Parts: sequence; C-alpha cells; structure tokens
Amino acid sequence: KNEVEQSPQNLTAQEGEFITINCSYSVGISALHWLQQHPGGGIVSLFMLSSGKKKHGRLIATINIQEKHSSLHITASHPRDSAVYICAVVRRIDTDKLIFGTGTRLQVFP
Amino acid sequence: DVKVTQSSRYLVKRTGEKVFLECVQDMDHENMFWYRQDPGLGLRLIYFSYDVKMKEKGDIPEGYSVSREKKERFSLILESASTNQTSMYLCASSPPGTFYNYGYTFGSGTRLTVV
Repeated sequence: KNEVEQSPQNLTAQEGEFITINCSYSVGISALHWLQQHPGGGIVSLFMLSSGKKKHGRLIATINIQEKHSSLHITASHPRDSAVYICAVVRRIDTDKLIFGTGTRLQVFP
Repeated sequence: DVKVTQSSRYLVKRTGEKVFLECVQDMDHENMFWYRQDPGLGLRLIYFSYDVKMKEKGDIPEGYSVSREKKERFSLILESASTNQTSMYLCASSPPGTFYNYGYTFGSGTRLTVV
C-alpha cells in the first residue's frame, strides 16, 4: 500500500466548477506539499503545509494532521487549470526525501 | 532564471543498449535526484546524491546506476536497457535541508521508450 494516496485518479470538470482533490497519508510527517505538473512535464510547487489552511488566488489547500488528510480545492475552475496535481509528504523520520502520491489528472472543459 | 536541464525530451533506445540520461543544474545545489514517473504509480525515487561523488539508492535502483563527478551534473545510466524501463524520467535538485520549504526544482523530464 502506498504511503500517500490520492483520489480521484482522474477528474473532469466544466469550466467554473468547484474542484476538490484529496490526499491521505499513513506516516508521520513534518510537511505536505501540493505540486502541479503540466503536460510539458515540469513540476512546480503550489503549497507547503504543516497545519491549517493556505490560499493562493483560486487555490485553497487544507490539512488535518490528526486525520492524516489534506485537500486541494480549486474555485471557479478554468481550462488552464488542466494538469496533474501531486501530493507529496516529508516524513518526520527522514526529512531528506519527498514521498509522492500517484497524482490526480484534472481536465477542465470550456 | 534557475534551471534544471535534462539533455533530451524524448529518447528511443533498443533493448540491451547502454543509455545515459544527463541532468545539469545551475543553482549550485548539493542535492540531486532521479525519479521515474509511471501512470498509477507516481514518482518513484531511483537514486539521489548529496554531494559530488556521493550516491544513495532510492526505492527502485535495480537496473540503474548514477554518476556525479561534478556538482552541477548528475547522470542516470541504464546499463542494459529493457522494455520495462520505458518511462518518464525526472531529475530534480535542491539545497540541503530544504524539503520542509520545498527547495526542489525539477527538470522537464525525458520520456524514454525502449523497443
């Protein structure tokens, strides 16, 4: 079983819809990252969380440390949001590596 | 603009060939990583290096080796390519101890097909 699980694996939406991507992990962590990968392959960081909630534009990320769960929300989705969204954690016992989830492929149609 | 550059975007090789994937970073980062990315499996760590001439096995090192002769360059070597090594390969670099703050910079990836 993966230490970091994401759901759903694939997601399609109409432009304007509210989107939620979920991430659950089974290990103790010091931080959780949400990453975005566009079709070209490059991966960029969206958020780093260790508690609570962060907002950047139309993106909101939350984390519940007790439940070992994080969510990424996209409000008023747009076709340019189409990408793979990846959750990654830094384990508390091994802070030199990221452990990645399998990713969620999002397609937003006009 | 800081960069991690992978030498090829697409590569097609024959089974049994020795394959070199090159990665160069211009940020003077100590840490460098090689991952492979497969559908449904996400990114899996092959090898990483904390310094010149140092290397550590990741989660799936079998069939791969690496070389880091200079700080800016980290090479992934497939000694004898096999079809199950067909994948997207991603290189990343970071300063030491920055995972908490996401010091990672990824390259654009090399899509390798072994036929």
